[in-house]
Amino acid sequence: GAGVSQSPRYKVAKRGQDVALRCDPISGHVSLFWYQQALGQGPEFLTYFQNEAQLDKSGLPSDRFFAERPEGSVSTLKIQRTQQEDSAVYLCASSLVRGRGNEKLFFGSGTQLSVL
Amino acid sequence: AQSVAQPEDQVNVAEGNPLTVKCTYSVSGNPYLFWYVQYPNRGLQFLLKYITGDNLVKGSYGFEAEFNKSQTSFHLKKPSALVSDSALYFCAVGTGANNLFFGTGTRLTVIP
Repeated sequence: GAGVSQSPRYKVAKRGQDVALRCDPISGHVSLFWYQQALGQGPEFLTYFQNEAQLDKSGLPSDRFFAERPEGSVSTLKIQRTQQEDSAVYLCASSLVRGRGNEKLFFGSGTQLSVL
Repeated sequence: AQSVAQPEDQVNVAEGNPLTVKCTYSVSGNPYLFWYVQYPNRGLQFLLKYITGDNLVKGSYGFEAEFNKSQTSFHLKKPSALVSDSALYFCAVGTGANNLFFGTGTRLTVIP
């Protein structure tokens, strides 16, 4: 497809489990972003990649959160030892150019994570 | 610090009437301002952005927004609402760094 693809669409985890969320950005897009959207809230920035380089991880809420984009295309967001407060929709977005805060972002449909 | 406020959680408008979804922002320096729309079970879709230049920005699906620097506002407008415009609308501000700051969203319901 031509859009940003995220999988799985839904993920249910028991507290303490590790989870991995996948993002396939639009082919050729340089920038990739992860956002967290809690229920009833707007998306909140987690981390940013320019190609394979993770240039900004200031939004990751704890060291249990880890993201990678080893070949500059597909990205994985990993959450270790999940907690109930991690329950949210995780959104991936990509853009054609390097991140400068003024470009159009293309968002995936998100992964809804529920931690029981 | 950057912030975005969408003072209305919910906006209801009759089909065919004009609609306004409000947004105010706080940022140091020149802002980059955006509107995104989220339909159920869909990702956020870009509507329009203001970077510089003309204060009135036209975007997708007949939407437009007006940048007002003195009031630090960027309200989204459409002259004639459609039922299909019913969705969740997010205002966002960028500052030249990598990330965007999003508001909490406004749910627009267009009543037939």
